[in-house]
Amino acid sequence: NAGVTQTPKFQVLKTGQSMTLQCAQDMNHEYMSWYRQDPGMGLRLIHYSVGAGITDQGEVPNGYNVSRSTTEDFPLRLLSAAPSQTSVYFCASSLAGSGAKNIQYFGAGTRLSVL
Amino acid sequence: DQQVKQNSPSLSVQEGRISILNCDYTNSMFDYFLWYKKYPAEGPTFLISISSIKDKNEDGRFTVFLNKSAKHLSLHIVPSQPGDSAVYFCVTTSGTYKYIFGTGTRLKVLA
Repeated sequence: NAGVTQTPKFQVLKTGQSMTLQCAQDMNHEYMSWYRQDPGMGLRLIHYSVGAGITDQGEVPNGYNVSRSTTEDFPLRLLSAAPSQTSVYFCASSLAGSGAKNIQYFGAGTRLSVL
Repeated sequence: DQQVKQNSPSLSVQEGRISILNCDYTNSMFDYFLWYKKYPAEGPTFLISISSIKDKNEDGRFTVFLNKSAKHLSLHIVPSQPGDSAVYFCVTTSGTYKYIFGTGTRLKVLA
């Protein structure tokens, strides 16, 4: 029972490099999202998707792209990494809906450092 | 502007005693509240939730209280155990899929 799987767990980039953070879930959840967590702050929503082919911006979307070609996968792309993107990134998924159906399940996170 | 506030960054409690974690929110439209627990190097995990139509929800040692007029909720852990040591996030939604997180409270339960 894998749940939400994020890869890689750690990554170091140089400023200007691009990379893709992978996220996969095996629970057939419609909703998936990406968050970042910075020191002293809660998790902030970057992008989210309510189903395959549908994505939208969250609170802090600049510098990130997403796509959702399948229900299972929701990759996050950094187009040109900047030191301000140094953070811990979490992917989450949930059943579509609100209230009790909106319990989100999180991956273990990707710790990213941009030098 | 922080819509969900957890004003205590940290809390230390003796094992066996009660832990009380507090959370304030600004928007009366928020209708569902959750508490998540996070251990180091892991993702947050769901702990307990409450709908705005209730004022209390219990699950074992964990109870969440909601005071809508004060826009305040609290999480009570009784009795506290060393394994409860973690960061606790207060989370809310407003009928959509989007979560709004508080900044978290680090609980340390002393043996």
